[in-house]
Amino acid sequence: DQQVKQNSPSLSVQEGRISILNCDYTNSMFDYFLWYKKYPAEGPTFLISISSIKDKNEDGRFTVFLNKSAKHLSLHIVPSQPGDSAVYFCAALMDYGGATNKLIFGTGTLLAVQP
Amino acid sequence: NAGVTQTPKFQVLKTGQSMTLQCAQDMNHEYMSWYRQDPGMGLRLIHYSVGAGITDQGEVPNGYNVSRSTTEDFPLRLLSAAPSQTSVYFCASKQGLYNSPLHFGNGTRLTVT
Repeated sequence: DQQVKQNSPSLSVQEGRISILNCDYTNSMFDYFLWYKKYPAEGPTFLISISSIKDKNEDGRFTVFLNKSAKHLSLHIVPSQPGDSAVYFCAALMDYGGATNKLIFGTGTLLAVQP
Repeated sequence: NAGVTQTPKFQVLKTGQSMTLQCAQDMNHEYMSWYRQDPGMGLRLIHYSVGAGITDQGEVPNGYNVSRSTTEDFPLRLLSAAPSQTSVYFCASKQGLYNSPLHFGNGTRLTVT
């Protein structure tokens, strides 16, 4: 069963407009969430994160919103730039106790920013 | 600063062959992990290690073995390759803090025929 879901496989936006990428999760025990960006032929790179005790975290053009009651988070990119074109992965973290922790990824959303 | 280095970049195997995917990091990270990326499936955790001598299973461990004899290296072994193991494999590491972000290598693309 997919605990972290990104229901939109792809998204296309115009340069300068807002990009909104969505992510849903099923396990209420997740307590930390991260977004990664991936270009072709490269590994994912960390973008932004949010703790479950917050509902918003902002870093430059990137803002992540968390709605715990809906088990939903979203990544906003404003303004979108052609260099933002990549696959974006949502990921969730849960403390299994002791030294154990596992980062669970969603299926990814391919963002295309049109010039 | 090399970060996480994976070798080889590409590999083709025949069914039943064995091989080891290499992963090395030079950041003195305690935590290391292996993921596979498949179309429509995202990144799935295969095995992980919280330190030298300690390994544990992730979401999809079957068909893979790991060991962690040093802090720097975390090889992934396929004992008898199957076509279902055709995938892109990513190694990642992070500092010991719970919510530290993972640093990924650039991946190994494996094809099993």
